[in-house]
Amino acid sequence: EDQVTQSPEALRLQEGESSSLNCSYTVSGLRGLFWYRQDPGKGPEFLFTLYSAGEEKEKERLKATLTKKESFLHITAPKPEDSATYLCAVQPMKTSYDKVIFGPGTSLSVIP
Amino acid sequence: EAQVTQNPRYLITVTGKKLTVTCSQNMNHEYMSWYRQDPGLGLRQIYYSMNVEVTDKGDVPEGYKVSRKEKRNFPLILESPSPNQTSLYFCASSLSGGPAYNEQFFGPGTRLTVL
Repeated sequence: EDQVTQSPEALRLQEGESSSLNCSYTVSGLRGLFWYRQDPGKGPEFLFTLYSAGEEKEKERLKATLTKKESFLHITAPKPEDSATYLCAVQPMKTSYDKVIFGPGTSLSVIP
Repeated sequence: EAQVTQNPRYLITVTGKKLTVTCSQNMNHEYMSWYRQDPGLGLRQIYYSMNVEVTDKGDVPEGYKVSRKEKRNFPLILESPSPNQTSLYFCASSLSGGPAYNEQFFGPGTRLTVL
């Protein structure tokens, strides 16, 4: 069964304290893996798409990496404005429909 | 401003009373989709549409209907809402080919409560 899990469920960091969020997936072939940021009371905001193992993408303090079974979102020297829930999603290669599976998310709090 | 809009933003209704949540995008996107977000379950795909007059079921389509008569609009219809459809609903859109190849833009969400 296609599945996406994320860890930790919640993460509390001091400002400037770098860390990583994990997204583990089980799918029958990967068409794409996506990272989104969601602020309270808002819709998710797209961050990255990764397609193949070894691929990396960066945006400001965020860097996403991909292996055959998981993806990491590395946050370098986070600031309070990075506080949000980070969602991981995958699109399997072989499905009966254009399926997108989201993980439960990691809630990140960055304390000044 | 490029955006996805949803209306209403908040809705409280009663079991069995038909309702429609509207979704509109101004980016000329071919692909549109509906999700529901529930605590502990994350976002789950309800329906999606690759283009006008083309719609397909997602993971949790039961109890919902959609239509795509125009490119910009993708309404979500609950013919006979039940309490288990109480949730936060998001509409999203992207260019042709869907989210695997293009950034998906999400609306602000509609919080629905069915009593």
